[in-house]
Amino acid sequence: EDQVTQSPEALRLQEGESSSLNCSYTVSGLRGLFWYRQDPGKGPEFLFTLYSAGEEKEKERLKATLTKKESFLHITAPKPEDSATYLCAVLMDSSYKLIFGSGTRLLVRP
Amino acid sequence: NAGVTQTPKFQVLKTGQSMTLQCAQDMNHNSMYWYRQDPGMGLRLIYYSASEGTTDKGEVPNGYNVSRLNKREFSLRLESAAPSQTSVYFCASSENGGAGNTIYFGEGSWLTVV
Repeated sequence: EDQVTQSPEALRLQEGESSSLNCSYTVSGLRGLFWYRQDPGKGPEFLFTLYSAGEEKEKERLKATLTKKESFLHITAPKPEDSATYLCAVLMDSSYKLIFGSGTRLLVRP
Repeated sequence: NAGVTQTPKFQVLKTGQSMTLQCAQDMNHNSMYWYRQDPGMGLRLIYYSASEGTTDKGEVPNGYNVSRLNKREFSLRLESAAPSQTSVYFCASSENGGAGNTIYFGEGSWLTVV
């Protein structure tokens, strides 16, 4: 069964305390892996797309990496404004359907 | 920047009532989607429209109908609302349906069925 699992479900960090969020997937034929940020009461906001194992992308304090079975979202020296839910989604071969994980709720305390 | 606009933002329905969620995008995108988001279950695809004039079922289509009115607009209809349809609904769009096309989401519509 095609599945996307994110861990941990929730993460509390102190400002400046770096950490990583995990997204593991079991799908047949990955066409792309997407990371989104979602603030309370808002729609998901696009962050990154990764297409192949070994690929990395960065944006400010965030860096996303991809292997054949999982992706990591590394947060370096986070700030309180990085607090949000981070969603991972995968797109399979021959499909328009994004399969989403249930997200990681990140809280960064000042 | 409007992007993807959904209405209404909030709605309370009684069981058995019908309603339509409206969605419009101003990015000239070909593909549009309706998702629902429930606690602990992530976003699930209800219906999508790869291009104007086409619609297809997603993961959880039962109890819903859609209309791709034109290239800009994609509506979601609940014919006879049930408490299980209490959820947050997101409309989204992308230039096309492939992996290279980012999917952009609206702000969401909170629906409660009592």
